[in-house]
Formats: sequence, structure tokens, C-alpha cells
Amino acid sequence: QVTLKESGPGMLQPSKTLSLTCSFSGFSLSTSGMVVSWIRQPSGKSLEWLAAIDWDGDKYYNPSLKSRLTVSKDTSNTQVFLKITSVDTADTATYYCARLTTEGIVSYYFDYWGQGVMVTVSS
Amino acid sequence: DIQMTQTPSSMPASLGERVTISCRASQGISNYLNWYQQKPDGTIKPLIYYTSNLQSGVPSRFSGSGSGTDYSLTISSLEPEDFAMYYCQQYDSSPWTFGGGTKLELK
Repeated sequence: QVTLKESGPGMLQPSKTLSLTCSFSGFSLSTSGMVVSWIRQPSGKSLEWLAAIDWDGDKYYNPSLKSRLTVSKDTSNTQVFLKITSVDTADTATYYCARLTTEGIVSYYFDYWGQGVMVTVSS
Repeated sequence: DIQMTQTPSSMPASLGERVTISCRASQGISNYLNWYQQKPDGTIKPLIYYTSNLQSGVPSRFSGSGSGTDYSLTISSLEPEDFAMYYCQQYDSSPWTFGGGTKLELK
């Protein structure tokens, strides 16, 4: 059974660095083809893909935020991390991690999502 | 970035009704289009991948179609659990982008 769960600080001040953790089970990020992504959703708004890391350690970022994002994984391949530097109120959102799965060579989609963690940036 | 425009943004509908949600990309995306459902508690699950493929466990009343820039999600007969938010998502090019969402509401 695949599960993912996000954790974070809940609230932090502007200009600080946001650190998020995605803890997952039911699969290993060391398995070829596995990818975990971060996606966020401001309240009442749509979803925004942020970053991803694959089984080989390759990292992918949304260009609009790339300078502020760092995605990484732990050596046990059961956790993925996201750091966002210099946060401001626009970073207030629910942050999700999700597993990307592939079906053949043309299908890529997020098949399992965490429950999301709400982060508020406020002074 | 490829912009994804969903219409309508909200849709009142009745139980048993057939509904269709549209998603238009700002450029052709070669059928690289997925659909997701989000419940009020925030839970998100995939419904359709690669335009028309039904995710395992998703009821057959859900279907997807489209090509080029225009895609759609159809629910053939609404059940109570279908009242939720729906999002399309393209993966033709990075960054992967989502539509603005469609809220399916009980009429």
C-alpha cells in the first residue's frame, strides 16, 4: 500500500527558509523509474507543480521558482525534502507531495498524493 | 509555459445527470493530458491519464477524450460522491501545468 505524508512548520515568517518533508511507504525511490514531486495549492486556487526528484537523483524544477527551490532525498530513499528560500506571503499554500507513475512511454501521472500540509507565511 | 483553461469554473448539476468539463491548452499537447479529482477535505486522486485511459479503480462512468489543444472529461451519470473539484494537467512540456479547476456542485 502506497502512502505519502507531508510535514512542515505550519507557520513561518517572511524571508525565512521553508523546509518540508515527504515521508512515504509502499515503494522505494531507489527503484528505477520512481519519481516524487512537490505540488502546491494556495487556498481557493489551482495546483502548481514545483519540483521533482527521480530514483537516480536527477532533479527537476519549475523555472519560475527554480532559484528558490532545492529538492533532495534521504539515503534510505523513503523521504523527499523541499526547501524554499526567502518565502513571502505568496508562498502561503497547502503543499502536496505525489508519486509520479508511468504507463509505457507516453503516460505520466501522479497516482498517489499525500494529504497535504498547510503552510502560512506571516509576520 | 503552457496555459490550461478549464470551463466552466463551476457547474451546478443533478444526480444522474451527464456532465462534461472542458480543458483547452494554449498550444497542442499531443494527448499528454491527465484529469484529477479533489474532494473538499483536500484528497486528490487521478481519474484519467493520457487523455482517455481510466485509472484503476475509477468507475466507468468517467471518460476522457480530446486531441490537439481541446480535451474533455465526461461523467455519464452523476453519483453523490462525484461532487468535487476537477483539474486537468498537461505533461507535454515542463513545467507541468494544471487547469484552474471546475467545481461540480449539487443543483
